[in-house]
Amino acid sequence: IAGITQAPTSQILAAGRRMTLRCTQDMRHNAMYWYRQDLGLGLRLIHYSNTAGTTGKGEVPDGYSVSRANTDDFPLTLASAVPSQTSVYFCASSDSTDSYGYTFGSGTRLTVV
Amino acid sequence: AQSVTQPDIHITVSEGASLELRCNYSYGATPYLFWYVQSPGQGLQLLLKYFSGDTLVQGIKGFEAEFKRSQSSFNLRKPSVHWSDAAEYFCAVGSNSGGYQKVTFGTGTKLQVIP
Repeated sequence: IAGITQAPTSQILAAGRRMTLRCTQDMRHNAMYWYRQDLGLGLRLIHYSNTAGTTGKGEVPDGYSVSRANTDDFPLTLASAVPSQTSVYFCASSDSTDSYGYTFGSGTRLTVV
Repeated sequence: AQSVTQPDIHITVSEGASLELRCNYSYGATPYLFWYVQSPGQGLQLLLKYFSGDTLVQGIKGFEAEFKRSQSSFNLRKPSVHWSDAAEYFCAVGSNSGGYQKVTFGTGTKLQVIP
């Protein structure tokens, strides 16, 4: 089934540790996004990529980095995790021919302790 | 700056009753508007979207939404709610901003369906 795969599903991480959240899509969508979802705040954009080889900052990029080496993969890295990064992280993608029609992954629940 | 307000954090309806979830947006030009649904432990799924044209938009699962420019609203409706509709619903507004498709989500409305 076409879609987005995120890994891990959940993770407990010690503060100060480095962590990479994985995101892979098989729909050949050009654009990909990382959001975090926090209670009462909705979804906030962390980083985006319009096409392979390019990335950009969203609303809340501090403490996160991304890369887009190819069309399918868009990993999100926390260089040194802090408790405020405890959240549910969603990867999404969209096709330039269907603007804004996002497909979301099932999310990664990250707890930083 | 674009923004979305969902004034109802939580709504409870009886199964078979009608549903209306409110959404108000702020955006200078004609907006792109969306409704997404999120079941527990899942990602968001697109229910419907409005870009232009007919202001009454039909979506999946029997949902519809009406764009009212004069009220800056895009309320979601369903004539008869099923227990499986219990989920969280997010309204969103989109635009091209700074080189990417900027989508701003509301904070969500959690729908509870009682027998």
